[in-house]
Order: sequence, then C-alpha cells, then structure tokens
Amino acid sequence: DVKVTQSSRYLVKRTGEKVFLECVQDMDHENMFWYRQDPGLGLRLIYFSYDVKMKEKGDIPEGYSVSREKKERFSLILESASTNQTSMYLCASETGGNTDTQYFGPGTRLTVL
Amino acid sequence: AQSVTQLGSHVSVSEGALVLLRCNYSSSVPPYLFWYVQYPNQGLQLLLKYTTGATLVKGINGFEAEFKKSETSFHLTKPSAHMSDAAEYFCAVLKGGGFKTIFGAGTRLFVKA
Repeated sequence: DVKVTQSSRYLVKRTGEKVFLECVQDMDHENMFWYRQDPGLGLRLIYFSYDVKMKEKGDIPEGYSVSREKKERFSLILESASTNQTSMYLCASETGGNTDTQYFGPGTRLTVL
Repeated sequence: AQSVTQLGSHVSVSEGALVLLRCNYSSSVPPYLFWYVQYPNQGLQLLLKYTTGATLVKGINGFEAEFKKSETSFHLTKPSAHMSDAAEYFCAVLKGGGFKTIFGAGTRLFVKA
C-alpha cells in the first residue's frame, strides 16, 4: 500500500512565525502536491513538484514556498505565517502517469493565532 | 480551462436509500474523471476513476459513476446507503497529459438511521 505521511496532524503557530510542513511518501512517486482545504472551496493547489528540485506554482502560491531535496520528501514552508493561512493542508503523491491516482496524507490542521 | 461543479454542498439520505451525488465538468479535451472520498479526520482516497473505455465505472464500497459526454456529467451513485458512507465526496478532473487535478468544492453526505 502507498503510504503518505505528514509530520503533524495538528499545529498551532503564531503570526509571523516560520512554519514547516513535511510530507513523505514511500512509493518512489515522481509527482508530489500540496493543497489547502477550506470549507466550501474544496482543494486548492498550492505547489507541486514533478522531480527532485523541480517545483511549479499552483493556483494559490502566495505566502508559501516548497522544497524537494529528496524524491520521497516534499516540504511546504510558510515564511511568515498569517491568520488567513489557518487551514487544513493536504499532501499527495502520484506516479506521474497521465491517468494517475493521487494518494493523500492524513492532513495537517494548522491554526495561526 | 477545466472546472468541476458539484451540485449540493450537503446531501442527506436515509439508510438504505439511493445515494446520488452530482458532478458536472468542463474541459476542452476528453478528461479523466475521479471521485474521491474523505472520511472524518482523514485524507482523501480514491473511490473510482474514468479514463477511457466503458462509461460506467465501478468503484469501492458499492459506488459507481457514469461518464456522460453529452451532459458533461459524472454523477456518483450507490443503490443503498449505509451509515459508514457518511463522508465528504470530491469530484475531480484531470486533463490528459496534464499535471493538475482540479477538485470540486465537495459534497458532504449525511446518512440518517
């Protein structure tokens, strides 16, 4: 079974703090994604990566950056957390085929005070 | 541009009743279509997907969906709801050859005893 793990299930941070969210997949997948999930808005893509050290902006990249130094690990960074970044963050991975399924981690619920 | 519309943010059915969750998409090219389910406090997992071929697709837990090109729809059905089906369901579309899966806003299914 594919396993995607996220470093924290719940996280509380203060405005202005630098926040790191880690995601690890164990299936040698090429593509990895970070989404945020908000009620009524579904999932919105923040960034994705199709290879080590490669990244592409998604639909809402402002205020975020990412890092992919190793194939299995994809990190989301909030340089200076703000209250409007309070959300559920979901990481996903896929093999990279055209019709591929995404495999999701359990999510990190981030609260910024 | 692709988009996904899920009709109804909340759907309530009685146990044993038919489940029908509606999804319409727009895509300039034949899309790949997915339904994902999210149980409370978990990430998303794939229910079923349509790529090519047979337009009626069967998924896990007794769910199925039919791709209707003329109606640009991919509605999800299950003949008899079970309490364990209570969850949030997301319809998604991926343009063939693309990286980005577009998710609908989600439909929360409630099952009444």
